[in-house]
Amino acid sequence: AQSVTQLGSHVSVSEGALVLLRCNYSSSVPPYLFWYVQYPNQGLQLLLKYTTGATLVKGINGFEAEFKKSETSFHLTKPSAHMSDAAEYFCAVTTILPGGYQKVTFGTGTKLQVIP
Amino acid sequence: DVKVTQSSRYLVKRTGEKVFLECVQDMDHENMFWYRQDPGLGLRLIYFSYDVKMKEKGDIPEGYSVSREKKERFSLILESASTNQTSMYLCASSLWGSSYEQYFGPGTRLTVT
Repeated sequence: AQSVTQLGSHVSVSEGALVLLRCNYSSSVPPYLFWYVQYPNQGLQLLLKYTTGATLVKGINGFEAEFKKSETSFHLTKPSAHMSDAAEYFCAVTTILPGGYQKVTFGTGTKLQVIP
Repeated sequence: DVKVTQSSRYLVKRTGEKVFLECVQDMDHENMFWYRQDPGLGLRLIYFSYDVKMKEKGDIPEGYSVSREKKERFSLILESASTNQTSMYLCASSLWGSSYEQYFGPGTRLTVT
């Protein structure tokens, strides 16, 4: 079984401050890890992903995340928050089952509020 | 760019009605998914399909069925809508054997009264 835990359903930061959104996962096989962002009344779009290789991955809009296997974590960071970063962020884990089928599990989401 | 479209952005139906939600993707993706999104619960997988006429149950399939007659189209069916199916429904697609990222449609907000 696999699961994703996002700590904090709501996070508030001041404009210009560091953004840190936490994600921990459990998986019995090597996972593929994703962060998606959802702006109001829209679908989700990919922010960044970890598949293999370098554990620090960079995404769009200045976000990055680091895969830490020992901590089973994939926290999302951005050095300086912008008002346009206000959105809901979802962490997701995908594992590949026998036959190549994808098993996808999403976290419950973290709403980021940016205070001017 | 991959485009995933959903037939309606907003839908209001009455209890007991049969409801069809349609999703179309234009990038020849093998995998397609239906999720529902509820506050505090994140996205929960209803059904997915990895090929035409193939379907697999997700985590919450009860009260739903799906149809995939063509590769680009994946339909979600509520046989008899109930108020507890009021939710945001998101369709997604992904490529088989690739980086496994999903591409999402804009969502359908369904209200059952």
